[in-house]
Amino acid sequence: GAGVSQTPSNKVTEKGKYVELRCDPISGHTALYWYRQSLGQGPEFLIYFQGTGAADDSGLPNDRFFAVRPEGSVSTLKIQRTERGDSAVYLCASSSLGLAGATGDTQYFGPGTRLTVL
Amino acid sequence: KQEVTQIPAALSVPEGENLVLNCSFTDSAIYNLQWFRQDPGKGLTSLLLIQSSQREQTSGRLNASLDKSSGRSTLYIAASQPGDSATYLCAVSTGGFKTIFGAGTRLFVKA
Repeated sequence: GAGVSQTPSNKVTEKGKYVELRCDPISGHTALYWYRQSLGQGPEFLIYFQGTGAADDSGLPNDRFFAVRPEGSVSTLKIQRTERGDSAVYLCASSSLGLAGATGDTQYFGPGTRLTVL
Repeated sequence: KQEVTQIPAALSVPEGENLVLNCSFTDSAIYNLQWFRQDPGKGLTSLLLIQSSQREQTSGRLNASLDKSSGRSTLYIAASQPGDSATYLCAVSTGGFKTIFGAGTRLFVKA
């Protein structure tokens, strides 16, 4: 596609519910990143995929958060038993390289999903 | 643990002024450094990427420098315009995959 797309653009849910956030990367990009951004802060790294595998998931805050990328393209971030503190904008980015040790790796970001947990 | 700091947190300048945004990072073992722009309610747009072996990159009115040894980068914006008003974010890639962002500098250019 022309750019990274994310759906939904807004999601309002109740505390304790399960949510799924979707990211469609730029076609052909092998690397995919998820970030979380709170108001007035920079994005916080959550997880990185190279192809279908999660190469680095050290940013996931706890085991309520999980992400998949089964065919190496679309990714879904899943949050179980949502808490009010999960409210934030969830950003996805993709890049064409992202190999260990590679440089020159520009990340292209989607518009984000604003998650509100009531 | 890598930490990225941006100074100032906010900046207001008259149109036409040249300005410098600062970014510092605590661990000099980085793969690259990127400057992004973020408009309210929008995603991030990459402005410049400096590889770890490079000292600077230029694009139009923007120039970014990198001094790995001192853990500093600057973004220079020449002849600022109201359309430059946005939040500017600095980010370093470390460990090959993880990207650490600063909190950003909110820039307002007055017409």
